[in-house]
Amino acid sequence: EAGVAQSPRYKIIEKRQSVAFWCNPISGHATLYWYQQILGQGPKLLIQFQNNGVVDDSQLPKDRFSAERLKGVDSTLKIQPAKLEDSAVYLCASSAGGAVKNIQYFGAGTRLSVL
Amino acid sequence: RKEVEQDPGPFNVPEGATVAFNCTYSNSASQSFFWYRQDCRKEPKLLMSVYSSGNEDGRFTAQLNRASQYISLLIRDSKLSDSATYLCVVNGGRGSYIPTFGRGTSLIVHP
Repeated sequence: EAGVAQSPRYKIIEKRQSVAFWCNPISGHATLYWYQQILGQGPKLLIQFQNNGVVDDSQLPKDRFSAERLKGVDSTLKIQPAKLEDSAVYLCASSAGGAVKNIQYFGAGTRLSVL
Repeated sequence: RKEVEQDPGPFNVPEGATVAFNCTYSNSASQSFFWYRQDCRKEPKLLMSVYSSGNEDGRFTAQLNRASQYISLLIRDSKLSDSATYLCVVNGGRGSYIPTFGRGTSLIVHP
């Protein structure tokens, strides 16, 4: 079974530029998550989708971050404009459904450096 | 108080030792709990779910204490390959089936 696919693996941009990350979840997984992980910290949930609807985006900085999940399959996370503090690993995860005992499967992540 | 708290460590132990980590959570309505393992520069991977009755998988034992609002992970007979960061995850901490990660506990097993 194919895992969660993310691209690109690495991205280096200058502050105030824009960047986009792509995620393709495990086939059939209804729930998709985007996390930001800063070095030395745990993953912080940015947004959670159930199919193509948003379950939670309370920690998404909406003035600069946006995400969409068209057709309830793959998803894109965008940052515009980027700030130095956005340097982090952006992880995408998926799980099979909306049940409480969801197990998440993670992609390899995109490592973003903002200069 | 943070929703999910872990001692970041590092915990430095010799091979063969037994080591235990705790993770406390603030929302008594939290519904499900997990331990994930994260190797350096890799993605988190599920280690084990945590059930109310406690559960064991080989050298690993996870327990839930709802009264005191913490979960624990016990590793027996530590191996060099157990060196990693251990992340606890609590679901339902914000009133829905939404996961919150702790910052992780670093374990270093030395020869």
